[in-house]
Amino acid sequence: DTGVSQDPRHKITKRGQNVTFRCDPISEHNRLYWYRQTLGQGPEFLTYFQNEAQLEKSRLLSDRFSAERPKGSFSTLEIQRTEQGDSAMYLCASSLGSRAGNQPQHFGDGTRLSIL
Amino acid sequence: EDQVTQSPEALRLQEGESSSLNCSYTVSGLRGLFWYRQDPGKGPEFLFTLYSAGEEKEKERLKATLTKKESFLHITAPKPEDSATYLCAVQVSSGGSYIPTFGRGTSLIVHP
Repeated sequence: DTGVSQDPRHKITKRGQNVTFRCDPISEHNRLYWYRQTLGQGPEFLTYFQNEAQLEKSRLLSDRFSAERPKGSFSTLEIQRTEQGDSAMYLCASSLGSRAGNQPQHFGDGTRLSIL
Repeated sequence: EDQVTQSPEALRLQEGESSSLNCSYTVSGLRGLFWYRQDPGKGPEFLFTLYSAGEEKEKERLKATLTKKESFLHITAPKPEDSATYLCAVQVSSGGSYIPTFGRGTSLIVHP
């Protein structure tokens, strides 16, 4: 399978704990995106990388959220001191980069986070 | 503020009953409009990209069209397996970055 993979698929944790999610993009894709999706809503953009550079992070929901892509391959999204409102599906997507920025994104099946 | 609005929120069709989904947008610096299909518990699956007004794309029973302010996803003679949520997204250029904005989606159910 050469699609986008996310791990874990499900995460249940207690409020106040830190969680980290991993995303492995399609190997030839140099752009990687993170989204949050809640029930009945479309994906909400959080941040994206071009190779290892994080080009947009103003949409991260708070300073408890951070993302890395250390070698331009896989990426991690960390949420510190989780809150009830963080319960959601976290989606990762990857795409080819282009000067026009208009390449389609290919999504993983997400990590569902539940905060007890 | 850039916005993407999809209508209707939900649509029930009988098998073979053609219809259209709408995506209207108010954005500046549009770099492309995308349609995705999302099944429950899965990530969105790419369907089409439209880049300029007047453009059309087709795939099986689906046809996407684009004007300067909206896009339509036409479904011809749908089958039960077309049941899913259909998402519209725009990619906007903003200060050298590219910000994707999704609509809330249209939940389509096709009854046999």
